[in-house]
Amino acid sequence: DSGVTQTPKHLITATGQRVTLRCSPRSGDLSVYWYQQSLDQGLQFLIQYYNGEERAKGNILERFSAQQFPDLHSELNLSSLELGDSALYFCASTPTSSYNEQFFGPGTRLTVL
Amino acid sequence: GQQLNQSPQSMFIQEGEDVSMNCTSSSIFNTWLWYKQEPGEGPVLLIALYKAGELTSNGRLTAQFGITRKDSFLNISASIPSDVGIYFCAGPNDNFNKFYFGSGTKLNVKP
Repeated sequence: DSGVTQTPKHLITATGQRVTLRCSPRSGDLSVYWYQQSLDQGLQFLIQYYNGEERAKGNILERFSAQQFPDLHSELNLSSLELGDSALYFCASTPTSSYNEQFFGPGTRLTVL
Repeated sequence: GQQLNQSPQSMFIQEGEDVSMNCTSSSIFNTWLWYKQEPGEGPVLLIALYKAGELTSNGRLTAQFGITRKDSFLNISASIPSDVGIYFCAGPNDNFNKFYFGSGTKLNVKP
């Protein structure tokens, strides 16, 4: 158990819909990173937040947005869903003492039908 | 973004064999990371490398930071069934606010 929690574990929805994925970092970690992992692929970096502020963006679609709240939990919002958005979505947090050490949550498996 | 190429894509080996996999980049990294992902789980950090030429071990795992800083290698000695999983290399940008992952090497170990 990494200490990073993600909900829900599984999500099945239809094209055109909007969903929200939630992540709580490890206690004390200020950074949250979001990744997308499509079938048999590596992890694609989407976005990073540090203490409530967006710090870096990767290949994140305009239909996707995220935020980090004062209690440091983060939400990833995916809208106008397409079949190709079906993937595993992971969040990770890093301790301020060791930025290289990312702790990953168990992921949310999104299926768009 | 940075491209990390991992090889081989998959491996089927017998328990007890040694395994080697590598990762190359089009750009220089100042940190190389190796992760393992088991089915249904998030990746777990195995080894972190910080210096060109560095060789670091974690049990039966040994990783090396290439001299050119554009590659890294991971070796697993005397493989066991619980080594099964996908191994990813990764590298952060200098600010550690973006991490780039390879496409992974899927390891299968036959008892």
